[in-house]
Amino acid sequence: EAQVTQNPRYLITVTGKKLTVTCSQNMNHEYMSWYRQDPGLGLRQIYYSMNVEVTDKGDVPEGYKVSRKEKRNFPLILESPSPNQTSLYFCASSFGSEQPQHFGDGTRLSIL
Amino acid sequence: GENVEQHPSTLSVQEGDSAVIKCTYSDSASNYFPWYKQELGKGPQLIIDIRSNVGEKKDQRIAVTLNKTAKHFSLHITETQPEDSAVYFCAASPYNTDKLIFGTGTRLQVFP
Repeated sequence: EAQVTQNPRYLITVTGKKLTVTCSQNMNHEYMSWYRQDPGLGLRQIYYSMNVEVTDKGDVPEGYKVSRKEKRNFPLILESPSPNQTSLYFCASSFGSEQPQHFGDGTRLSIL
Repeated sequence: GENVEQHPSTLSVQEGDSAVIKCTYSDSASNYFPWYKQELGKGPQLIIDIRSNVGEKKDQRIAVTLNKTAKHFSLHITETQPEDSAVYFCAASPYNTDKLIFGTGTRLQVFP
């Protein structure tokens, strides 16, 4: 089954404790992206990747890192999480930036 | 940068009626305009998209129209059903970037 898998689905942690949210896709997509969803603000793009070893900033990249060492994986790293990063996060993948994106089911992060 | 405004934020309709959601964008050179549906607890799912060289596109009960002069595009759902209840997001891909900018979402409720 074609899918985008995110882990964990839920996480409660504390300020400053490094965390990684993993994202994996099995559709051989070149393009992958991370979004955060906040009430009233819709979906905002954090980082995206056009292909292996190619990443670029979206609209809200501050406080986040990503890497794309393999085509199927695109982890989101919060080196020193802060409470303003409490949000619902989605990973997505597609064949290109102007192609339909397939989204994971989301990761709800709470930073205390 | 690109800005996408979406209205209304909530919309309630009777089953069988039509629903219209409107979005405006700021970058006149934007080329790709997808619409996503997000059901509770799930990631967004593409329902229809349109490119700037097309004025209208239909898929069964769903249609999207694009007015490049006015820089707005709309989602039309006819003969609404309770299963159409969800949050709908429009998006636009700014020219010469690989980003995707989303609107703030519309919560559609269809009452039986």
